[in-house]
Amino acid sequence: SQQGEEDPQALSIQEGENATMNCSYKTSINNLQWYRQNSGRGLVHLILIRSNEREKHSGRLRVTLDTSKKSSSLLITASRAADTASYFCATDGAGGTSYGKLTFGQGTILTVHP
Amino acid sequence: GAGVSQSPSNKVTEKGKDVELRCDPISGHTALYWYRQSLGQGLEFLIYFQGNSAPDKSGLPSDRFSAERTGGSVSTLTIQRTQQEDSAVYLCASSLVGPISNQPQHFGDGTRLSIL
Repeated sequence: SQQGEEDPQALSIQEGENATMNCSYKTSINNLQWYRQNSGRGLVHLILIRSNEREKHSGRLRVTLDTSKKSSSLLITASRAADTASYFCATDGAGGTSYGKLTFGQGTILTVHP
Repeated sequence: GAGVSQSPSNKVTEKGKDVELRCDPISGHTALYWYRQSLGQGLEFLIYFQGNSAPDKSGLPSDRFSAERTGGSVSTLTIQRTQQEDSAVYLCASSLVGPISNQPQHFGDGTRLSIL
């Protein structure tokens, strides 16, 4: 079963614009991770934020985590056509597990138009 | 290569046949995970290995599904008497360690299984 929800389900923007995706979850977690998936490929890890962190940056990516609201956001700045993909949030430690069992959201399909 | 390798990349089989999916994790990664991705259910956890043991098999959908890992490396996921609802992409991932590791998982490209 899915831990939470992501919105929007689909996002279409122009190259150079920023893209923001949101993720909500239901239980306590150890960390929250964001992954990207290109069509027909596996998932690529983007960024991991621990439950005691509030914000993390990696290149053009910015992730925030609000454990009181059980929500996270992924911001991609200055988007490129190559950023076109599906983006998934995944929680680690949901339900008290401690070994990296990931529970995924439904994903956001991002399309960046050149 | 240095990544997680899965084979076959595609498998088409008839309902009722058995299938075996293989995962070769990144060398040195002790934790290995199987997930299933389908249109209706999204990404679902199936089973977790730490070394050769599987402490959590809670995601396996039925007793037709089994998995093993030998030598702390290669893992195989076996589906017996396949059904059409087994059609999905089966993804394997590995990571350095398991318990509260805060480690990212590295995924293979998956096996796309189609049951006719």
